[in-house]
Amino acid sequence: DVVMTQSPLSLPVTLGQSASISCRSSQSLVNSYGNTHVSWFHQRPGQSPRRLIYKVSNRDSGVPDRFSGSGSGTDFTLKISRVEAEDVGVYYCFQGTHWPQLTFGGGTRVEIK
Amino acid sequence: QVQLVESGGGLVKPEGSLRLSCAASGFSFSDHFMSWIRQAPGKGLELISYIGISPNTKYYADSVKGRFTISTDNAKNSVYLQMDSLRVEDTAVYYCARLTFSSLDYWGQGTLVTVSS
Repeated sequence: DVVMTQSPLSLPVTLGQSASISCRSSQSLVNSYGNTHVSWFHQRPGQSPRRLIYKVSNRDSGVPDRFSGSGSGTDFTLKISRVEAEDVGVYYCFQGTHWPQLTFGGGTRVEIK
Repeated sequence: QVQLVESGGGLVKPEGSLRLSCAASGFSFSDHFMSWIRQAPGKGLELISYIGISPNTKYYADSVKGRFTISTDNAKNSVYLQMDSLRVEDTAVYYCARLTFSSLDYWGQGTLVTVSS
């Protein structure tokens, strides 16, 4: 089973500053076709999760370019540039490479200082 | 546009049963994997089940295996989760989500299941 470990658990940020969230997997997330299926989701309080990023670095439609994903192998990062108030909530990474058990990270809570 | 609407949650006693439904619209339902993800109060996300284009393709997390059953009705564009032998620890918000190219691209609003005596 692939374990996804996020850090930090909590991330206080100042409005307008940048924030980075790390996600490490217990094994490589590159599949036999050379694809890496890592996604990032944002969950605002009281709402369902929304996907931001898929296949490591591809932004979903309507996602501001302040959000960027990067990484390879076992180490992945979500960066938020110029944090805005609407960015608060919990962020989750997710691996879709190793079937059948697809797994989420434990989550990182972003709050405004 | 893609829409997923869950229903069927509620309060149930331990060892009871509940059937969740998720009505899909805005896409070709029969061409996609569908999944159920749950979130216990104050906790993270857990993908507990999914079903493939072929109904023989099903997955269950160990936490629900043998107690929950996923199914689809392509004529109704719906996915279901039959939950039997419910436990207190099954208390959670249950989301259905479309599973596309190894990612979860669309989610419903969720339905709350509370297991309590």
